[in-house]
Amino acid sequence: QKEVEQNSGPLSVPEGAIASLNCTYSDRGSQSFFWYRQYSGKSPELIMFIYSNGDKEDGRFTAQLNKASQYVSLLIRDSQPSDSATYLCAVTGGSYIPTFGRGTSLIVHP
Amino acid sequence: EPEVTQTPSHQVTQMGQEVILRCVPISNHLYFYWYRQILGQKVEFLVSFYNNEISEKSEIFDDQFSVERPDGSNFTLKIRSTKLEDSAMYFCASGLAGGRNEQFFGPGTRLTVL
Repeated sequence: QKEVEQNSGPLSVPEGAIASLNCTYSDRGSQSFFWYRQYSGKSPELIMFIYSNGDKEDGRFTAQLNKASQYVSLLIRDSQPSDSATYLCAVTGGSYIPTFGRGTSLIVHP
Repeated sequence: EPEVTQTPSHQVTQMGQEVILRCVPISNHLYFYWYRQILGQKVEFLVSFYNNEISEKSEIFDDQFSVERPDGSNFTLKIRSTKLEDSAMYFCASGLAGGRNEQFFGPGTRLTVL
């Protein structure tokens, strides 16, 4: 059974701070890693994907992947109240069937 | 900007009835997917579809489920005999390429089985 684990939160950060969201996965053969943002009652929206160990930056977002430790993280710099949402981690392996985590609720307060 | 659309936004049905959920993927996309999300739970993959056939399916996608691309634009999910536990949000997604590449999600259809 492939598992993707996330702390459900909520993670509360003040506006302008860095939010750090973490995800661990059980399948060592996992190849692709995705972060989605999901507002309440809405569909998931892809923020970033990462395939290789290290960091990948896109604007205020940085994804970090460590395959040896089987974790992937998402950093959000200069957090805004509009970033308040649930962040889903998804992982795929050789079959390309994604396994989603339960998500971490992020609250950015003014 | 092109987007995935889904109809209806909310479907209420009686247990045992058949439902068809409809999706219009982004027009130049080749890969199509259905997911479901039971309230408060994680997003679960159901099925992927490419070149007019199922390419992957999960254990959830049993004989009660089927998918079809009846024309060049629509992609449908049929549940033959709905059960209470089929109540969930169903998301359609499409992508230009399979596997590692970006999938764009539709707004979802909320299915309520009474």
